[in-house]
Amino acid sequence: KQEVTQIPAALSVPEGENLVLNCSFTDSAIYNLQWFRQDPGKGLTSLLLIQSSQREQTSGRLNASLDKSSGRSTLYIAASQPGDSATYLCAVGKNNAGNMLTFGGGTRLMVKP
Amino acid sequence: DVKVTQSSRYLVKRTGEKVFLECVQDMDHENMFWYRQDPGLGLRLIYFSYDVKMKEKGDIPEGYSVSREKKERFSLILESASTNQTSMYLCASSFDRGPTEAFFGQGTRLTVV
Repeated sequence: KQEVTQIPAALSVPEGENLVLNCSFTDSAIYNLQWFRQDPGKGLTSLLLIQSSQREQTSGRLNASLDKSSGRSTLYIAASQPGDSATYLCAVGKNNAGNMLTFGGGTRLMVKP
Repeated sequence: DVKVTQSSRYLVKRTGEKVFLECVQDMDHENMFWYRQDPGLGLRLIYFSYDVKMKEKGDIPEGYSVSREKKERFSLILESASTNQTSMYLCASSFDRGPTEAFFGQGTRLTVV
């Protein structure tokens, strides 16, 4: 059974710092990997989708990488801002299963002004 | 923009009531999902549907059923609500092939008293 782990569980950084969030998964036979952002009490907002054949995706200040063989993904946030404060979730999609997602526990990020 | 809309943001129901949570998507997605999110347990898949009238159990289907009579609508039914079903419920949808990015609704916070 696929297990997804995110480290650290919580992170506090000063504004302007570059940071890396980590995601690891146990079964490398994935269809894709997706990073989400969740604000308190709200739904999930999709940030980046990486297909299994891709190594990275970029959107603005965000860059996500994928290393299937080692079962790892990282989300890099450049020049962090207080508005980046949220919980970040990674999820891996299972092949041949309607893209059911298995989620990590999330990293709660606080960016201090 | 993809829109996944859940019928209620907040619901309070009594133990034993039959509860319907509704979800509508406007992107002609084949796949639709219901998750619940609890502190310390993360997001867990309840049911998913890959086509009209088709459904598959997720990790925690007990106490729930679903209905998908039209492609755009996926309903989660709590047959007899119990206090341990107090949770945040999240609906999602995605294409079955190609860019299978999952999009989530805003969530329904259900409290069973």
